[in-house]
Amino acid sequence: DIQMTQSPSSVSASVGDRVTITCRASQGISSWLAWYQQKPGKAPKLLIYAASSLQSGVPSRFSGSGSGTDFTLTISSLQPEDFATYYCQQANSFLTWTFGQGTKVEIK
Amino acid sequence: EVQLVESGGGLVQPGGSLRLSCAASGFTFSSYDMHWVRQATGKGLEWVSAIGTAGDPYYPGSVKGRFTISRENAKNSLYLQMNSLRAGDTAVYYCARVSYRSGGWYFDLWGRGTLVTVSS
Repeated sequence: DIQMTQSPSSVSASVGDRVTITCRASQGISSWLAWYQQKPGKAPKLLIYAASSLQSGVPSRFSGSGSGTDFTLTISSLQPEDFATYYCQQANSFLTWTFGQGTKVEIK
Repeated sequence: EVQLVESGGGLVQPGGSLRLSCAASGFTFSSYDMHWVRQATGKGLEWVSAIGTAGDPYYPGSVKGRFTISRENAKNSLYLQMNSLRAGDTAVYYCARVSYRSGGWYFDLWGRGTLVTVSS
């Protein structure tokens, strides 16, 4: 199975900061990667698919990049509503779906 | 409104069974692959099962042989029959829709989840 490793596991940041989260796949997955945001007690929400495509309705301060094994999610200017946990997910294999362990973005 | 609503969670003893349901509305349910994803308290997301539009099921090794996913398109409903439950199955179970985009499968719609607690 393809393993997904995120770093860091948590990050403390202030409103207005630029935040970058990385995700590494154990084998190449082309650009088949998604990013999700999850707030406490809520379901995950799709932010980015195909590594860099913004899901409809998601603010443009979110962006994704990468291909192969290394990917990043960037929040260009952190807003109060962005404090949450973020997960990457590989979408390369039809028969298995795996997520990263999550990165918690906390208030500094 | 486009939504998924899970039900059927609760407290069950180890070795017991439970059946989860997911009611879909606002979209053509029969046209989408559907999944169950779970999350233990304070932990990450774990894919549990999938079912294609033709009813073909898929499972990870951790639940294969114990869980059965099914769908009833006429009722816009997804189900998960869970047998031989273990303490490690305790989690919030989410119903999720998958869309195929740009060569990959992505979870683009999620329900609010239903809590399953396996404990004596």
